[in-house]
Amino acid sequence: GAGVSQSPSNKVTEKGKDVELRCDPISGHTALYWYRQSLGQGLEFLIYFQGNSAPDKSGLPSDRFSAERTGGSVSTLTIQRTQQEDSAVYLCASSLGTSAYEQYFGPGTRLTVT
Amino acid sequence: DQQVKQNSPSLSVQEGRISILNCDYTNSMFDYFLWYKKYPAEGPTFLISISSIKDKNEDGRFTVFLNKSAKHLSLHIVPSQPGDSAVYFCAASGRTGGSYIPTFGRGTSLIVHP
Repeated sequence: GAGVSQSPSNKVTEKGKDVELRCDPISGHTALYWYRQSLGQGLEFLIYFQGNSAPDKSGLPSDRFSAERTGGSVSTLTIQRTQQEDSAVYLCASSLGTSAYEQYFGPGTRLTVT
Repeated sequence: DQQVKQNSPSLSVQEGRISILNCDYTNSMFDYFLWYKKYPAEGPTFLISISSIKDKNEDGRFTVFLNKSAKHLSLHIVPSQPGDSAVYFCAASGRTGGSYIPTFGRGTSLIVHP
């Protein structure tokens, strides 16, 4: 029984470069969330996908951030022209749907922008 | 402006004693509350939840209490075990545009000493 997986587990990139972070949710989970956790902070919501509905992008901090979810399964979070303040752990979670409040998290991707 | 606050960044408890983790919220629209546990280098895992129609929910050694009038909830762990040492996140959700995106606190690091 596979849980939520994320890749890469660690990513070091230079300021100004683009990065892509991948999330494989639990099979059958229609809802997918991206969060980030900066040092000493809580989980900051970024974006939410639910089935075929338009994603809720209200948490994206700038237009450098975007995300896609293809075929209702795998999701990719893209950060363009990375900045040092983008350094954080990026967490993906999935759940059965809006009526199922329990989220299952992946192990996260630690992004370091130098 | 934090809507979910965990004012104690850390808590140290002796094995066998009770651990009490506290959480306060400001948004009266929140109607569902969750606790997650996070070990280093892993994603958060769901622990226990409570709906606003209840004031207590118990699962084994873990009990969550909700005081709606005070906008306060707490997680009790009895008896505490060294394996409980982790960061505990409180989260709250409510109907926002039809989705239930939880808002997380900054976490409390619990250390249980043998």
